[in-house]
Amino acid sequence: GAVVSQHPSWVICKSGTSVKIECRSLDFQATTMFWYRQFPKQSLMLMATSNEGSKATYEQGVEKDKFLINHASLTLSTLTVTSAHPEDSSFYICSARGLVSYNEQFFGPGTRLTVL
Amino acid sequence: AQSVTQPDIHITVSEGASLELRCNYSYGATPYLFWYVQSPGQGLQLLLKYFSGDTLVQGIKGFEAEFKRSQSSFNLRKPSVHWSDAAEYFCAVASMYSGGGADGLTFGKGTHLIIQP
Repeated sequence: GAVVSQHPSWVICKSGTSVKIECRSLDFQATTMFWYRQFPKQSLMLMATSNEGSKATYEQGVEKDKFLINHASLTLSTLTVTSAHPEDSSFYICSARGLVSYNEQFFGPGTRLTVL
Repeated sequence: AQSVTQPDIHITVSEGASLELRCNYSYGATPYLFWYVQSPGQGLQLLLKYFSGDTLVQGIKGFEAEFKRSQSSFNLRKPSVHWSDAAEYFCAVASMYSGGGADGLTFGKGTHLIIQP
């Protein structure tokens, strides 16, 4: 149980285009989803927290107009990187927290974004 | 603001030897503490967590960790490592959100574990 999927697993796009990454909780309802960013060989940085049906809360230094987060249902959250640039290339990881196991986050496998 | 320090970037251990990975945290209240493992191409896997109660926590794969409030530490240990334990290990701390659970995580920089045959 407690499986989180991400799609796509990797994506390559041209500079200036937008990319959408999906995060799904497959077997539980995720009241809260978190988005993290991981640079190569570095740690994970929390970008934002999204609660179902509410606006996302962004961490300091994260541009909310650049990284659009939508959490429209209890099983799906999306992260859209708008007008992507090479510096946005990174590994994006989502996690989900449900009602039953509210102390634990379950992580997706991540999405590798490369912006050319 | 909360923070996590993992002082060892790389650690090399012989297969069968014991292991201790260090983690120090900074947080004003009682923290929620976690250890995760990340293998190449794999997602993060939770090894163990501490919320309250017994300060010695048992996890999966034979790992354990001890919460020491006086030292602000949560070191991960394993009595005998296996080659399959080679991976990146992350310590993380979370604050408690209004609903009573763990909020977004602050991760340490990670420790890369190398296993020598």
